[in-house]
Amino acid sequence: QVQLVQSGAEVRKPGASVRVSCKATGYTFIGYYIHWVRQAPGQGLEWMGWINPNSGGTKYGEKFQGRVTMTRDTSISTAYMEVNRLTSDDTAVYYCARGVNYDGSGRLLEFDYWGQGTLVTVSS
Amino acid sequence: QSVLTQPPSASGTPGQRVTISCSGSTSNIESNYVYWYQQLPGTAPRLLIYRNNQRPSGVPDRFSGSKSGTSASLAISGLRSEDEAEYYCATWDDSLSGRGVFGGGTKLTVL
Repeated sequence: QVQLVQSGAEVRKPGASVRVSCKATGYTFIGYYIHWVRQAPGQGLEWMGWINPNSGGTKYGEKFQGRVTMTRDTSISTAYMEVNRLTSDDTAVYYCARGVNYDGSGRLLEFDYWGQGTLVTVSS
Repeated sequence: QSVLTQPPSASGTPGQRVTISCSGSTSNIESNYVYWYQQLPGTAPRLLIYRNNQRPSGVPDRFSGSKSGTSASLAISGLRSEDEAEYYCATWDDSLSGRGVFGGGTKLTVL
């Protein structure tokens, strides 16, 4: 069965970086995009960007350009999302989600499987 | 401030039909597919509706989606207590070089 398993909770100080992993099992990793979505405490969902595991191509939301990097290692079917220069506003649960991409546009937000979420806490 | 506007709350009694609206613009809802997600407390979101009005397998036919122009809506008929959750609409926005956008979410309470 399809599963996305994320790495565990992290605590960082302001200005530091954090990398969250998302290991995919039960399907062909390169056949679907991986999107990252975050949710601050008590707030709504916020789309961050996607990575195409096949090509390594990425698309970031303008808010995250220059501060977020998405990568993947196809040999272990794992996607990564790194956030730099953390502030308290980055405290959130970060989710990876499998994105259907049948038209190759990268504009589909059809997330049929989600990771369990990773809590990142930024505090001095 | 979300690009997509949803009412912050909605409510209904068991068996009732409720609708949740999602208002956008020509650069997002009108031009792209709309998706709906259900999120129970402490859990990851779950896909409810894709491509405006399609249900994934396993989603009851009590849930339906529609889109007209720059707005979309989610309807839930035969309301049940387990439908109490947060609901989010989502779509692609073609402005600002393109990005995914979510509505602010609607908390549905089953009275």
